[in-house]
Amino acid sequence: AQSVTQPDIHITVSEGASLELRCNYSYGATPYLFWYVQSPGQGLQLLLKYFSGDTLVQGIKGFEAEFKRSQSSFNLRKPSVHWSDAAEYFCAVGAEAGGTSYGKLTFGQGTILTVHP
Amino acid sequence: KAGVTQTPRYLIKTRGQQVTLSCSPISGHRSVSWYQQTPGQGLQFLFEYFSETQRNKGNFPGRFSGRQFSNSRSEMNVSTLELGDSALYLCASTKQGLAQETQYFGPGTRLLVL
Repeated sequence: AQSVTQPDIHITVSEGASLELRCNYSYGATPYLFWYVQSPGQGLQLLLKYFSGDTLVQGIKGFEAEFKRSQSSFNLRKPSVHWSDAAEYFCAVGAEAGGTSYGKLTFGQGTILTVHP
Repeated sequence: KAGVTQTPRYLIKTRGQQVTLSCSPISGHRSVSWYQQTPGQGLQFLFEYFSETQRNKGNFPGRFSGRQFSNSRSEMNVSTLELGDSALYLCASTKQGLAQETQYFGPGTRLLVL
């Protein structure tokens, strides 16, 4: 079965510093990969997604992510963090090997980002 | 275009009761997925409906059920509530429920079971 691992439960950065959130996946083929962000008490908002092609994808709010097949990783980056980026970030896989996966995303455990002024 | 809406936003129930949550997808979207979010288990897939049919199901007991109406609105029902059912329940919609489609999430229903 597919799985997603976000090794960092909580990350703290200073405003203006760079950010990298890690995501590793387990899947037999090239998966459909997503990063979502969740503010407290809210639903999930898509930041970016990767299906195929260019392995560096750009998203909203200045975020980008790089797909590395050899490392089974899809890390999220931002060159300069703003206080409003404080939230919880989820990496997700949208495909399942050998069967139908209608409407199913498999999520990592999430990374809580705290931003210090 | 209006987003995904969920009602109610907050709910308090007692053990043994049942509850029904509602989700209205984005106009034109026919697939609705449901997720349970808890601090301990994270985000877990419950089930997906498309054209009034359940096509996919996660590993939850039969107390969790759902349905979809002809206008694509979906309801989720939990019977015989347990304390562990306290969670944020999220629904998401897409046009066809395909793996490569972006799922658009509602704000969720916060359920507290006492």
